[in-house]
Amino acid sequence: SQQGEEDPQALSIQEGENATMNCSYKTSINNLQWYRQNSGRGLVHLILIRSNEREKHSGRLRVTLDTSKKSSSLLITASRAADTASYFCATAHAGGTSYGKLTFGQGTILTVHP
Amino acid sequence: NAGVTQTPKFQVLKTGQSMTLQCAQDMNHNSMYWYRQDPGMGLRLIYYSASEGTTDKGEVPNGYNVSRLNKREFSLRLESAAPSQTSVYFCASSEGLWGVHDQPQHFGDGTRLSIL
Repeated sequence: SQQGEEDPQALSIQEGENATMNCSYKTSINNLQWYRQNSGRGLVHLILIRSNEREKHSGRLRVTLDTSKKSSSLLITASRAADTASYFCATAHAGGTSYGKLTFGQGTILTVHP
Repeated sequence: NAGVTQTPKFQVLKTGQSMTLQCAQDMNHNSMYWYRQDPGMGLRLIYYSASEGTTDKGEVPNGYNVSRLNKREFSLRLESAAPSQTSVYFCASSEGLWGVHDQPQHFGDGTRLSIL
């Protein structure tokens, strides 16, 4: 079963607007990661937030993590047409023999109109 | 600076045929992974390899076998292809050191496999 559930499934905005995507998960994690996938391509790592962190920034990306609610959000500010892609959250389970194994959500399809 | 390379990019098979999907990484990573991506399902882990010589089942291993040939290469084999295995297959790698979980995964561009 999927660990992460993402909301919304699809998001359509105008260039310059902000885009917010949410991810919820079920079990304790070591960290949560966000990936982007352009059409026909593989996933590209965007940002990683550890379980003891609450907020992280990278350029126009801002990620928050609320471990009490088992949820995370990805905010893309001042969106561009080039941000059009699918965005996935992925959770890394703590301990055991996971060796960095990730469980992915179903993704949010973001469309940014010029 | 190739990263993760997958071959072939596209393949059409008939039911019952076999084939091997190849994956190679040039980042000296310890861990490698095979996923399948289906519409509305996200990515599901088929098999992974924490280090050369070890492999473990993921969420959906039935109908697949893997081989970690060396540190660089991790292949996925379909012994008797079925239409339900029509999907896009992604290989990924990460440093994956023991006890270290905060490593991103690096993905290839996928193999698009259709089984008729």
